[in-house]
Amino acid sequence: DAGVIQSPRHEVTEMGQEVTLRCKPISGHDYLFWYRQTMMRGLELLIYFNNNVPIDDSGMPEDRFSAKMPNASFSTLKIQPSEPRDSAVYFCASGPDSRETQFFGPGTRLTVL
Amino acid sequence: GNSVTQMEGPVTLSEEAFLTINCTYTATGYPSLFWYVQYPGEGLQLLLKATKADDKGSNKGFEATYRKETTSFHLEKGSVQVSDSAVYFCALSDIQGAQKLVFGQGTRLTINP
Repeated sequence: DAGVIQSPRHEVTEMGQEVTLRCKPISGHDYLFWYRQTMMRGLELLIYFNNNVPIDDSGMPEDRFSAKMPNASFSTLKIQPSEPRDSAVYFCASGPDSRETQFFGPGTRLTVL
Repeated sequence: GNSVTQMEGPVTLSEEAFLTINCTYTATGYPSLFWYVQYPGEGLQLLLKATKADDKGSNKGFEATYRKETTSFHLEKGSVQVSDSAVYFCALSDIQGAQKLVFGQGTRLTINP
């Protein structure tokens, strides 16, 4: 299995631009998670899905952030408009049903200038 | 709510030294407990887990025992190697939300030859 795939691996953009991060979970996993990691705040859960349905988005920082999962093999996290304080590493993770282990992707390092 | 507190880092040791990274938790009920490891430039990987009191998780020479009486899950290794240099995260399953993990702040470990 290829594991969780994220793209792009690095993204540099200017303040005010729209940013879209992509994730392909491991085939057969029913849960998908989006995390943000910064030095100041550590690892934060933004949102997670079960069977493509958003279950808990209480970690999404504000309305500028949105996430979708149109099918079982693809999810996006969008930031519009982006701000310098959004600079972080964003991780996608997936997990199989009825188990608690999560499998993380390599992350997308976002820099907003 | 549920929370995890980890030993503050960074931790620097010499090769072949004994390692302990402390982790304590606050939770209602009986969560599962995890240690994840993050190598430079990569996503988190599950290192070991324990699902009930007195269980011992082990992997790659690392061990941790689920201690309900002290609400702890300390990570230990008898003889560390340079390749163990990484950031280590303690986590618990949030029984209020299926599959949702609560992570500690992470402990950076550096092993010098």
